[in-house]
Amino acid sequence: AQSVTQLDSHVSVSEGTPVLLRCNYSSSYSPSLFWYVQHPNKGLQLLLKYTSAATLVKGINGFEAEFKKSETSFHLTKPSAHMSDAAEYFCVVKGGGSTLGRLYFGRGTQLTVWP
Amino acid sequence: DAGITQSPRYKITETGRQVTLMCHQTWSHSYMFWYRQDLGHGLRLIYYSAAADITDKGEVPDGYVVSRSKTENFPLTLESATRSQTSVYFCASSARLGDSYEQYFGPGTRLTVT
Repeated sequence: AQSVTQLDSHVSVSEGTPVLLRCNYSSSYSPSLFWYVQHPNKGLQLLLKYTSAATLVKGINGFEAEFKKSETSFHLTKPSAHMSDAAEYFCVVKGGGSTLGRLYFGRGTQLTVWP
Repeated sequence: DAGITQSPRYKITETGRQVTLMCHQTWSHSYMFWYRQDLGHGLRLIYYSAAADITDKGEVPDGYVVSRSKTENFPLTLESATRSQTSVYFCASSARLGDSYEQYFGPGTRLTVT
């Protein structure tokens, strides 16, 4: 079975400070992991993905995530937050075996960026 | 425009009514998906389709019907809408199911059942 747990439902940071959004995963297979972002009243956009290549994955808009198998974690980081980063972020694991291709979403983390 | 579109973007309907949400993609992707997004639940898979005339249930299929007569279209029907089906519905498509293949999402349909 596959699942992800996003450890924080809300994160607030000041503009220019680092961002850390935490995600732990559970998977019976070697996982494929993703981070999606959803801006208000918009669809979902892929930020980055891990598919068993480099453990440090770089995405769009300065975001990156590190896959840590020993900790079953895939935390999303950004060195310096921008006002435009305010959005909801979803950690996602892709299914394998009989659930191949299905996406399993975390409950989301709402990021607020203060000026 | 190329991409994946959904219609309507907003819909209000009454309990017991039938309503159909449309999804159209221009990439000729084989796979299409329907998700619902509810506060505190992230997105959950309702149904998906591997090709025309091939569909399968996801996590929360009860109360929904899908069809796929053409590769580019994947309509979702609520046969008798209930208040619990008030949600935001997202359609997605993907060329393949493999690890490196991204799912592309439509803009969503906000459905309110009164």
